[in-house]
Amino acid sequence: RKEVEQDPGPFNVPEGATVAFNCTYSNSASQSFFWYRQDCRKEPKLLMSVYSSGNEDGRFTAQLNRASQYISLLIRDSKLSDSATYLCVVKDGGKLIFGQGTELSVKP
Amino acid sequence: DVKVTQSSRYLVKRTGEKVFLECVQDMDHENMFWYRQDPGLGLRLIYFSYDVKMKEKGDIPEGYSVSREKKERFSLILESASTNQTSMYLCASSLQFAGTEAFFGQGTRLTVV
Repeated sequence: RKEVEQDPGPFNVPEGATVAFNCTYSNSASQSFFWYRQDCRKEPKLLMSVYSSGNEDGRFTAQLNRASQYISLLIRDSKLSDSATYLCVVKDGGKLIFGQGTELSVKP
Repeated sequence: DVKVTQSSRYLVKRTGEKVFLECVQDMDHENMFWYRQDPGLGLRLIYFSYDVKMKEKGDIPEGYSVSREKKERFSLILESASTNQTSMYLCASSLQFAGTEAFFGQGTRLTVV
């Protein structure tokens, strides 16, 4: 079993749609969780951290369920500029472990 | 602004050559990482370092070594480059504490011919 697993992509959605990405992790002792965004031919950049209580940043909502070892990202009212690959990241000790990423394509 | 700088954006090397990839960060971060990214495989950790002269193997260390002589610099070394090491290499750094984000360099696209 992979340490961090994400929904396979690509997701193709129309502008304005709501889209959800899911991620599971294998180590119950993992300490920190993040969603990163990677644009084509660019480096990954932090989108948001994920907290146990859930957190929201504008159109983006992240949730963490420690009991199920599950992380989610919800994007509301998708924009063309949201097209990118979304990476689920788990921090184990000093290591950052990445999921394979889910590609999102938002169409007009 | 945090800056992580990789020495080359694109590199072409011959099979058997010794290759050095350099990474420098300017935020006094304790942790530094080297990943490679391949289509369909995502980012895979090669090595990481949590302090000067300290290193730990990641998931795919074979064929690679690293050096961290100064806090701000983390070097990845391909002792004898092979064609299966053709990839995008990404360096990252972060503070030591849980919950802190990692910052990435722009990546080095290495082609081994």
